[in-house]
Amino acid sequence: DQQVKQNSPSLSVQEGRISILNCDYTNSMFDYFLWYKKYPAEGPTFLISISSIKDKNEDGRFTVFLNKSAKHLSLHIVPSQPGDSAVYFCAASVGDYKLSFGAGTTVTVRA
Amino acid sequence: DSGVTQTPKHLITATGQRVTLRCSPRSGDLSVYWYQQSLDQGLQFLIQYYNGEERAKGNILERFSAQQFPDLHSELNLSSLELGDSALYFCASSVAGGEATGELFFGEGSRLTVL
Repeated sequence: DQQVKQNSPSLSVQEGRISILNCDYTNSMFDYFLWYKKYPAEGPTFLISISSIKDKNEDGRFTVFLNKSAKHLSLHIVPSQPGDSAVYFCAASVGDYKLSFGAGTTVTVRA
Repeated sequence: DSGVTQTPKHLITATGQRVTLRCSPRSGDLSVYWYQQSLDQGLQFLIQYYNGEERAKGNILERFSAQQFPDLHSELNLSSLELGDSALYFCASSVAGGEATGELFFGEGSRLTVL
């Protein structure tokens, strides 16, 4: 039962442009959302999070948007850099750390 | 380096066998989580331990079991292995046991291949 879905398995973007990653969820009880980034042969690392009481959170080049009515989450990376090439996982939880993850989106930033 | 150590990094075994994956959490972290990532799948939550006690259970098969020891390291035991158990198994740790105030710190994973 995939409660968190990332429908785009891959995304290719030119360096300097915006990367937009999307995530949909089905569980309306989720109240905390996170994005993780994963490089090959490494474990996922935390990138940015947002609580359900907010609709936007920024951290440098990364911004996460939450649309609760649509049960939709997005991550914007501006500007995209070659080092951003990685797999990005969307995750959500109901008040605890038992995170439900999406399948991931592989981002490739072209020079 | 997340501070979470997993061993072995790679493991190849045969169907029907039993393996043990080991995880040492970050210093000071009381919670350990196990996740399974199969091909083209997201990370599936298996189980969480907090300070030696089972805290939450996910889609963990009965053939799988885990425990957290007094020194807080954890082991995930997989038995009667099937081809479909081939996956990347991640361990993660966090300071707390349930408050969603931060993030999990993941190890590099143990890649299990069942032939």
